Amino acid sequence: QVQLQESGPGLVKPSETLSLTCTVSGGSISSYYWSWIRQPPGKGLEWIGYIYYSGSTNYNPSLKSRVTISLDSSKNQFSLKLSSVTAADTAVYFCARGYCSSTSCYSRYFDLWGRGTLVTVSS
Amino acid sequence: QSALTQPASVSGSPGQSITISCTGTSSDIGGYNYVSWYQQDPDKAPKLMIFDVSKRPSEVSNRFSGSKSGNTASLTISGLQAEDEADYYCSSYTSSSTLFGGGTKLTVL
Repeated sequence: QVQLQESGPGLVKPSETLSLTCTVSGGSISSYYWSWIRQPPGKGLEWIGYIYYSGSTNYNPSLKSRVTISLDSSKNQFSLKLSSVTAADTAVYFCARGYCSSTSCYSRYFDLWGRGTLVTVSS
Repeated sequence: QSALTQPASVSGSPGQSITISCTGTSSDIGGYNYVSWYQQDPDKAPKLMIFDVSKRPSEVSNRFSGSKSGNTASLTISGLQAEDEADYYCSSYTSSSTLFGGGTKLTVL
C-alpha cells in the first residue's frame, strides 16, 4: 500500500533553513495534493502548505514568507524548506496526502500521513 | 488566523455517546461546509474520520458522525468503546488556509 516517509535533519540551528523530504512509496505522486503539517510538542496541529502534482502551491499566510514546498515526480518525493527558523519552529513535521473520494480530490483533507519527524531548533 | 476552539477534554463511559464541539468564525466554519475531524493516538499520525462536515471515509465506523450549526461544528461518537480513547482535532477550510483546532482528549472511563 502507499506509504509516506519523512526524512531530514533532526536538529537545526536558529536562523538557518529547515529542510525535509517526503518519499512516497507504493504509489504515484500524480493526481494528488501533498501537504506539510506540523505539531509542536504537546500542542495542536498547524497546516504549513501544499503542492499539487502539477506544481501549484498554497501556503499558510502566517508562514508564507519563509516556506517553499517543491516536488520531484521523477523521485516520487516532495520537500519542505522553512527559512530563518526559531525555537517556535520546533515540532513534529508530518507529510500528508490530500484525500480523494470517488468523485473529487481535496487539498483540505488528509487521508494518508507519514509517521512524522521531530525537528528541534537549538544552537 | 487563530486556531479553532475545542474543549481540552471530554469523557464518557463505554456504550454512551459523547459530543466534541469546535468553534470558529464566519470566516471559517460558518462560511464553508468544509469541516473535518481527525483522531490521533499517542505518538501516531492523525486519521481522517469526517470530511465535508458529516461525510465518512468508507473505512470509518458509522458510530462517528459530524454536524454544524452556525460557527460551531460537532463530532458525536455513539456506543463509546475503549479504542475510541484518543485526541480529536477539528479542521476547517478558509479562503486562504486550513485551520485546526487545539485538540480534545477523549477519555473512556
